[in-house]
Amino acid sequence: EVQLLESGGGLVQPGGSLRLSCAASGFTFSNYAMTWVRQAPGKGLEWVSAISGTGGSTYYADSVKGRFTMSRDNSKNTVYLQMSSLRGEDTAVYYCAKVLVLAVDGDLDYWGQGTLVTVSS
Amino acid sequence: DIQMTQSPSSLSASVGDRVTITCRASQTINKYLNWYQHKSGKAPKLLIQTTSRLQSGVPSRFSGSGSGTDFTLTVSSLQPEDVATYYCQHSYSDPPYTFGQGTKVEIK
Repeated sequence: EVQLLESGGGLVQPGGSLRLSCAASGFTFSNYAMTWVRQAPGKGLEWVSAISGTGGSTYYADSVKGRFTMSRDNSKNTVYLQMSSLRGEDTAVYYCAKVLVLAVDGDLDYWGQGTLVTVSS
Repeated sequence: DIQMTQSPSSLSASVGDRVTITCRASQTINKYLNWYQHKSGKAPKLLIQTTSRLQSGVPSRFSGSGSGTDFTLTVSSLQPEDVATYYCQHSYSDPPYTFGQGTKVEIK
């Protein structure tokens, strides 16, 4: 059974940093790209970033480019989202999602339950 | 970036009704359009991939159609367990793979 478990969310001050983790199980992790999607309170889903199965390619939404870095450790079956220079508009539930294929693609077949990030002073 | 526009933003229908949600892309995306179901407090779920490919375990009352820029999600007979917000998302070419703003479906 595929499982994705996000962690690392919490309360952080504007301008601060936070690292989210997503531990995966139930599939051959290195064979699949991974994605982060977020949902701000009362808003819809926003695609944030993605990384290929090898980790060699990463992509970001313009809203987070230069502030967020996505990475993965295939030996630990874990992806990360390092978030810095955080703003109020980054407040959201962050979901980790598995891509259907090795390369970065939009087809997200499994999702975690999400972790809440609150940016506030 | 490709923009995705859904309509309506919300709807209320009776059990057994046929429900249709539309999604329009700002440029052609061929058939690279997915639909997700998001129930409150749960993880989003991929319902339909590439316009019309129903995911395993998804009831056959759900169907998708369209191509180019205009797409449709249809629920042939609305059930109480279908209460959720539905999102379209393109998976055409390069990221970002943007989502529509969502359609909230309720039971009348």
